[in-house]
Amino acid sequence: DAKTTQPPSMDCAEGRAANLPCNHSTISGNEYVYWYRQIHSQGPQYIIHGLKNNETNEMASLIITEDRKSSTLILPHATLRDTAVYYCIVTGNSGGSNYKLTFGKGTLLTVNP
Amino acid sequence: DADVTQTPRNRITKTGKRIMLECSQTKGHDRMYWYRQDPGLGLRLIYYSFDVKDINKGEISDGYSVSRQAQAKFSLSLESAIPNQTALYFCATSGTERYEQYFGPGTRLTVT
Repeated sequence: DAKTTQPPSMDCAEGRAANLPCNHSTISGNEYVYWYRQIHSQGPQYIIHGLKNNETNEMASLIITEDRKSSTLILPHATLRDTAVYYCIVTGNSGGSNYKLTFGKGTLLTVNP
Repeated sequence: DADVTQTPRNRITKTGKRIMLECSQTKGHDRMYWYRQDPGLGLRLIYYSFDVKDINKGEISDGYSVSRQAQAKFSLSLESAIPNQTALYFCATSGTERYEQYFGPGTRLTVT
């Protein structure tokens, strides 16, 4: 699986958009980008995933660059409850490899009042 | 009610004791997983199961064993607990058409 690089921490003001970057320059053609978050010691929570098109759901938007070497998770209106560690994970979605989530250290997003 | 439940939520045990952590899910998923998390680190995969008859080792399976009693139940055992198995343990499930994983609330295990 491709390795990802994320900043260790970021701050965001409550009500503003939070934009979390992720680099995955070695991503291969059949690998998806997944985002999870973990609120202090709770179980990780799935947020969104994508292959090459931008994706949006009720939680967030995912923007993947055309060359697929990087992506950005956007929380459009961050709240204090969005304070968490955000993990960007690249994993295959075929051949039985889609189970493998390799969690790095992620980005600690702190939303400030 | 939670889709993925874990029992116990907290456990303190002594070195050498056998301990079992249990996981149940109501999502109807075939795939289940056990992870551990050490302070300040990401999750690491211990074991995973794609169905009741399928058990596979993850990256850190030494010192652990698992049992898939039913589609909905997946247990993790520490046959002889040691202090460096002190960690937060998470169970997760996923389907076979959509692969996102759903995690339980975790079990905080302390081995003294």
